Amino acid sequence: DTEVTQTPKHLVMGMTNKKSLKCEQHMGHRAMYWYKQKAKKPPELMFVYSYEKLSINESVPSRFSPECPNSSLLNLHLHALQPEDSALYLCASSQEVGTGLSHYGYTFGSGTRLTVV
Amino acid sequence: GENVEQHPSTLSVQEGDSAVIKCTYSDSASNYFPWYKQELGKRPQLIIDIRSNVGEKKDQRIAVTLNKTAKHFSLHITETQPEDSAVYFCAAGRNNNDMRFGAGTRLTVKP
Repeated sequence: DTEVTQTPKHLVMGMTNKKSLKCEQHMGHRAMYWYKQKAKKPPELMFVYSYEKLSINESVPSRFSPECPNSSLLNLHLHALQPEDSALYLCASSQEVGTGLSHYGYTFGSGTRLTVV
Repeated sequence: GENVEQHPSTLSVQEGDSAVIKCTYSDSASNYFPWYKQELGKRPQLIIDIRSNVGEKKDQRIAVTLNKTAKHFSLHITETQPEDSAVYFCAAGRNNNDMRFGAGTRLTVKP
């Protein structure tokens, strides 16, 4: 299995709703990421998990809450979102985060297209 | 933090021609430079990467060059085909904790 699987593919939610995005990989990768991509823009890093521990939180508002239940799963819990949070949310994984001596490219999932109404 | 600039934002070439996309980065400590291709409505996919101890890397019709002194790197696609049409993103960083993407180049290959 060489894929990152994200569910759901599309999500429409109201500003008072609570929902979760799910991401799964079975490649044995030890680093997993959440990225946000607005239309015609590059992906923006939100969170980095390395060995199931949160290592980077790029000043993301608390209405986004990540969770890494195990080495294969990554969730993003959403609560009280705003319309400007509408975007494509991409999950990615890599063998490891990497160091100055070793580097690993991302395998991206297909994303969840989120619309906040 | 790292800042990556990418040019051009759009590029249109005739099938069979070459395409070149250029990126500059700000952090001299960055040492990993991947390129991703994103077709319309699809996920970004890693197509080639280069590390700072190498000046050039080639994979069939795709090549990447790196100039550490000038802090810029480029993607070269030769003999372009319509299926090369996509948005291409460069990225730079020391590791995936600080990877930053360029704004993207929309490449159109006209048959």
